[in-house]
Amino acid sequence: EVQLVESGGGLVQPGGSLRLSCAASGFTFSNYWMTWVRQAPGKGLEWVANIKQDEDEKNYLDSVKGRFTISRDNAKNSLYLQMNSLRAEDTAMYYCARVSADSGNTESQYRPSDYWGQGTLVTVSS
Amino acid sequence: DIVMTQSPDSLAVSLGERATINCKSSQSVLWSSNKKNYLGWYQQKAGQPPKLLIYWASTRESGVPDRFSGSGSGTDFTLTISSLQAEDVAVYYCQQYYDIPLTFGGGTKVEIK
Repeated sequence: EVQLVESGGGLVQPGGSLRLSCAASGFTFSNYWMTWVRQAPGKGLEWVANIKQDEDEKNYLDSVKGRFTISRDNAKNSLYLQMNSLRAEDTAMYYCARVSADSGNTESQYRPSDYWGQGTLVTVSS
Repeated sequence: DIVMTQSPDSLAVSLGERATINCKSSQSVLWSSNKKNYLGWYQQKAGQPPKLLIYWASTRESGVPDRFSGSGSGTDFTLTISSLQAEDVAVYYCQQYYDIPLTFGGGTKVEIK
């Protein structure tokens, strides 16, 4: 069974930092693109970043570029999101998700997300 | 960025009746080389993460009931629930995965009338 479990959220002051983690199990983590998606309280979904299997390619939402860094450790089956210079507008539930394969092909990032974690809440407030 | 616009924002449908949700993209998400529409639909129930229902605009994810169907091409798409069940109460989102940044529609809340 595919499982994704996020951790690391919490309350942080504006300008502060947090590191989110996502522990993956039930599939060959190193074979898949992975992504972070966030959802502000009572709002819709917003894609944040994604990362290729070998970390060779990373993409970010413009509003987080230069502040957030996505990374992974395939040996530990883990995905990370380092968040610096946090702002009030970064307050959200952060979901880790797997980018789906197409007929077994995991090469492309242009796929929907087929498995999601339960999320970890980040609150940026003084 | 590709802007995804959903309508309506919310709808109330009687049990057993049809629910129809629309999604429009600001540019085509049809990839000419493979004739696939890079469009998915998700269901999010209260307090839960999103669940993938439909991809390539009309392909049901494994395990998704056949009362859920997707249609459309290019810039205009529809999610239809043919016979609404109580467990279908949720917010539904469309997403384009044609281009980075991937973008979602604003969501449509489906309730029981």
